[in-house]
Amino acid sequence: GDSVTQMEGPVTLSEEAFLTINCTYTATGYPSLFWYVQYPGEGLQLLLKATKADDKGSNKGFEATYRKETTSFHLEKGSVQVSDSAVYFCALSAYSGGYQKVTFGIGTKLQVIP
Amino acid sequence: DSGVTQTPKHLITATGQRVTLRCSPRSGDLSVYWYQQSLDQGLQFLIQYYNGEERAKGNILERFSAQQFPDLHSELNLSSLELGDSALYFCASSVGRSGTPDTQYFGPGTRLTVL
Repeated sequence: GDSVTQMEGPVTLSEEAFLTINCTYTATGYPSLFWYVQYPGEGLQLLLKATKADDKGSNKGFEATYRKETTSFHLEKGSVQVSDSAVYFCALSAYSGGYQKVTFGIGTKLQVIP
Repeated sequence: DSGVTQTPKHLITATGQRVTLRCSPRSGDLSVYWYQQSLDQGLQFLIQYYNGEERAKGNILERFSAQQFPDLHSELNLSSLELGDSALYFCASSVGRSGTPDTQYFGPGTRLTVL
């Protein structure tokens, strides 16, 4: 079945450091890929998405590129801020049997220190 | 605000009891998903409904059940509660139309504490 593997945290960075959170996936067909973010005490919210190979999703300074050849969708940000401290989830969605199936990774906790 | 509402926000109950969690999806969304999030298990997919019909089951215990009503709201019923059922329960909704990359919109969650 479909699966998403992302690096386990926590990841601790200083403010203005470069961020990479790795995500790889296994899926049949051509899934769409997502990054969701969960701030403390809140539900998950969409950060960015990409729907086909070589697409780049971007939002709030975060970027991720859909790499079909390496089945990856790594999240990057050039300069993190304290306000970026949250849990980040990689996910894929694929249509199977006439409906969408969504698979989430385990989540990576990011802590940014001043 | 995602447009997905969940009630109640907090629920404290005792072992062996039964509770019902409620979710109202965003206007126009036909798919509803339920997730359980605990510290040691991460985000676990429980069940998905589309337009009133069950579409997918994840790691949902037999003590748990759900349904989606004609007005598209959904309820998650948890019975014979155990201490280990203490968790955050999220509902998410999406448009659900086939052929469309489907973003899920999450509610704020219900925090269940079983004492």
